[in-house]
This record gives sequence, structure tokens and C-alpha cells, in this order.
Amino acid sequence: SQTIHQWPATLVQPVGSPLSLECTVEGTSNPNLYWYRQAAGRGLQLLFYSVGIGQISSEVPQNLSASRPQDRQFILSSKKLLLSDSGFYLCAWKPGRDNSPLHFGNGTRLTVT
Amino acid sequence: GENVEQHPSTLSVQEGDSAVIKCTYSDSASNYFPWYKQELGKGPQLIIDIRSNVGEKKDQRIAVTLNKTAKHFSLHITETQPEDSAVYFCAASREGKSTFGDGTTLTVKP
Repeated sequence: SQTIHQWPATLVQPVGSPLSLECTVEGTSNPNLYWYRQAAGRGLQLLFYSVGIGQISSEVPQNLSASRPQDRQFILSSKKLLLSDSGFYLCAWKPGRDNSPLHFGNGTRLTVT
Repeated sequence: GENVEQHPSTLSVQEGDSAVIKCTYSDSASNYFPWYKQELGKGPQLIIDIRSNVGEKKDQRIAVTLNKTAKHFSLHITETQPEDSAVYFCAASREGKSTFGDGTTLTVKP
């Protein structure tokens, strides 16, 4: 069966520090991969998605970047965190075909102080 | 781009009652409509979905209806139980990309 791992679960970082969140998927190949951010009491905002190694699409201009160095690995990064980067970050995957559900990790709670 | 509105933002029901959550979408090309349940501190999980060629789908106590003409779809939970308490999200999808509503916090009182 397929599983998705996302870490760390919680993270407290000072303003201006770098960020690296990692997500890996097991049990499938060539998945579509996604990074979402969830603000308190709000829905999920799509940040980045990838349909293959090295292929990254950005949905929202921001202080963050994403990379996909391996088929089942997706990384969210920042060189210098802002206070506004605080939030709940969710990684998700789905099969490459359309009309299939997203499978989410358990998220990372990021607090920028 | 797609815009999804979800109502109500909070919903409180008595155990055993029914709960209804409604969503509207703007992009007529959206063709897949999943519903997710998110428990505290976890990622959302799919509970039911419906494709644009179907008007209604049911899975035990949960049902979803879709009106393509009006561009709205609804989640119905019957015989609610305390373990149904969570945040529920609707989404409208096309070409593999999903746009989410802002969520509904459902509280089922025992």
C-alpha cells in the first residue's frame, strides 16, 4: 500500500532563517506531488505541484521554493523565512491520472518567531 | 481561476441529526468533486467523491449531490455521531488541480 511521510511535525524558526521540509511517498511510482499551506480557519492554498522529477509549477509568488530531486521526494524550501510564512504545511500525492483524490501527509506546523 | 465557496463555516448538530454542507464553484470545466475530513493535527482524508457525469453518490451515512447546471454540490451526513466532529472541505478539480473551500467545522453534540 502507498504511504506518505512528512517531517518534521512541528518546527519553530526565527525570522530570516532557512527552511527545508521534506516529503516522501512509498509504494507508488511517478506520482503527482503537491505542497499546500493551510492558514488557521481557512482552506488549503496550493503552493507548488510537480508531475515529474525536476518539474515544478508554482501557483503563488512567494518566499518559498520547491524541488523534486527524486521521483518520490518533494522538498519545500526558503532561504529566509518571514513571519507570514507561519502556517500548517501539507504535502500530498495522487496518481498521475485526472479525477483521483489527493492523499495527504500529516502536515508540518511551522511557527516563525 | 477556480473559486470555491463553502457554507456554513461552522455547524453544530445533535447526535442523530443530519448535517448538510454546501459548496459552489465557478469553473464549469471542473469535473471532479471530492470531500475531505480533517481531524485535529492531521492531514485531510477523502470521505467521498463525485464525478461530473454523476448526480448523486451514497456511501452508508454519507451522500454527495452535484448540480452541474447551478455549479453547486453538497455533502449530507445522516445519523450523525460524535466521531463525525471534524473540519470538512469540499474541492473542485480539473486537470489534476484541486481548489478547496474554506472548510466547515462540524460539532456533533452527544
